[in-house]
Amino acid sequence: AQSVTQLDSQVPVFEEAPVELRCNYSSSVSVYLFWYVQYPNQGLQLLLKYLSGSTLVKSINGFEAEFNKSQTSFHLRKPSVHISDTAEYFCAVSQTLNFGNEKLTFGTGTRLTIIP
Amino acid sequence: NAGVTQTPKFQVLKTGQSMTLQCAQDMNHNSMYWYRQDPGMGLRLIYYSASEGTTDKGEVPNGYNVSRLNKREFSLRLESAAPSQTSVYFCASRGGLAGGDTQYFGPGTRLTVL
Repeated sequence: AQSVTQLDSQVPVFEEAPVELRCNYSSSVSVYLFWYVQYPNQGLQLLLKYLSGSTLVKSINGFEAEFNKSQTSFHLRKPSVHISDTAEYFCAVSQTLNFGNEKLTFGTGTRLTIIP
Repeated sequence: NAGVTQTPKFQVLKTGQSMTLQCAQDMNHNSMYWYRQDPGMGLRLIYYSASEGTTDKGEVPNGYNVSRLNKREFSLRLESAAPSQTSVYFCASRGGLAGGDTQYFGPGTRLTVL
């Protein structure tokens, strides 16, 4: 069975400071990895994902994540955060079901709070 | 293109009452999912549907039933609501069969069972 661990439930960061949100996963097979973001009172939106190829993936709003197979990690980073980054961030790993279908296993989420 | 829509946005039920949460997508996606989100537990899969006419159980199916009415719509029914079903429910859809295809989420339904 696959699992995802997000060790930090809450991360407060000053505006314009760097941030790292940690994600570790366990899986016996090759996986696809995702970061989703949930802004207050909204659904989840895809932030970025790793499928294959370059282990560093980037989003359009300055976040990046690096897939590290040996450490089974997929940490999310941003060099300088803004107030608008305040949200909850979920790491997820995909699991193949049947007939090409997949399900996502989510971590428990990290609430990022930006301090002005 | 509205994406994934859910109704209602909010609902309060008494223990034992029944209700159906509605979900529709206009992206011509094959797969649809129902998740529940509880504080400190992330999202957990309740049921999913790989295609019209098929449904399968996820991690936490007890107390729920689903119907894939057509390719667009996937409803979740609580036959006899319990306080443990107080949660935020999200519907999602996924288009292709390629590994790693993105799941698109609706805005959620916040359900309280008294």
